[in-house]
Amino acid sequence: GENVEQHPSTLSVQEGDSAVIKCTYSDSASNYFPWYKQELGKGPQLIIDIRSNVGEKKDQRIAVTLNKTAKHFSLHITETQPEDSAVYFCAATGGNEKLTFGTGTRLTIIP
Amino acid sequence: SAVISQKPSRDICQRGTSLTIQCQVDSQVTMMFWYRQQPGQSLTLIATANQGSEATYESGFVIDKFPISRPNLTFSTLTVSNMSPEDSSIYLCSVEGGGGVYGYTFGSGTRLTVV
Repeated sequence: GENVEQHPSTLSVQEGDSAVIKCTYSDSASNYFPWYKQELGKGPQLIIDIRSNVGEKKDQRIAVTLNKTAKHFSLHITETQPEDSAVYFCAATGGNEKLTFGTGTRLTIIP
Repeated sequence: SAVISQKPSRDICQRGTSLTIQCQVDSQVTMMFWYRQQPGQSLTLIATANQGSEATYESGFVIDKFPISRPNLTFSTLTVSNMSPEDSSIYLCSVEGGGGVYGYTFGSGTRLTVV
């Protein structure tokens, strides 16, 4: 089955700087890669996703890049703000339609 | 995207008892998923629930412990049976699609504490 690794597990960034979280996956059949933000006491919220026929996708301060050859994808957050502090999860899914999650990254934005 | 209402939001239960968690979606969806998130951990899929068929359980999860119902395309329940303190977790339902938008949406979760 699919295996998703995520790094780093914790990340502290000065407000206004950029944050990058990286994930690798094992199943070459995977073709959908979402990123979720989870705040304390809440369920995961989809913030951006990318499909395997696209190399990069951007939504305001958030971008995701995908390298299918190397089987890795990354989340980029620019101009970070205190409200970006949360746990971020990457995930991957292929033909079986089950999401496999990474282990999570706790992002702390330092004011 | 779909809007999910999950109940209860939290509960404290005695060991040996059972708790049923409800998941209501505002649109019809084919696939619903139940996840467990242990404290400080990632999400682990318990089972996939399709309307009109038996739920499909992942390795390490069995129907006797986590019976699931899926009576229609907008509703599902997960029961945590014969609970022990090790069952203390957040339980989340998720749907694929709904609202005409592709993607997986999650409910707000049920925080279960077993004492």
